[in-house]
Amino acid sequence: SQTIHQWPATLVQPVGSPLSLECTVEGTSNPNLYWYRQAAGRGLQLLFYSVGIGQISSEVPQNLSASRPQDRQFILSSKKLLLSDSGFYLCAWSFGRGGVETQYFGPGTRLLVL
Amino acid sequence: AQKVTQAQTEISVVEKEDVTLDCVYETRDTTYYLFWYKQPPSGELVFLIRRNSFDEQNEISGRYSWNFQKSTSSFNFTITASQVVDSAVYFCALSEAGRGAQKLVFGQGTRLTINP
Repeated sequence: SQTIHQWPATLVQPVGSPLSLECTVEGTSNPNLYWYRQAAGRGLQLLFYSVGIGQISSEVPQNLSASRPQDRQFILSSKKLLLSDSGFYLCAWSFGRGGVETQYFGPGTRLLVL
Repeated sequence: AQKVTQAQTEISVVEKEDVTLDCVYETRDTTYYLFWYKQPPSGELVFLIRRNSFDEQNEISGRYSWNFQKSTSSFNFTITASQVVDSAVYFCALSEAGRGAQKLVFGQGTRLTINP
């Protein structure tokens, strides 16, 4: 069976500090990977998605970047955090075989920028 | 552009009551997919159901049922005989058909509270 991990679970960072959130998937190969952000009391916004190693698509211009150094690893980064980067970050995967795909989500990382 | 509207921000009912969560969507695609996810207090989104645009049959899974009506662009979710464990935020989502990664467009969510 497939599992998805995210770490850290919770993070408190000062404004201007760097960020690295990691997401890994087990039990599947060549998945599509996604990063979403959920601001407090709001819905989910797609930030980045990837269909393969080194292939990143950005959905909204922002202070964040993403990378996929390995097939089942997806990293969300920032060089300098802003207060507005606070939120709940969710990683998701889908099978990546074309056709209809269901996205399955990880446990999420709660980020608070002070 | 695709859009999902969940007009009910919060719903509170007493245990064992039936409750319906509304979802209205907008899309220009003729082929698309609709989803419902549950977000319990732990935060992880749990997949509940996927429905494609060509299948308007209603679906029932235990106490959960879904009513898909293309004529009104709605995909409503009903919980029968609600339980405290059903308390969560529920999201309706829409994705286009196609190859490669499929982007989900989420509604704002409905916070459901089941009181004992």
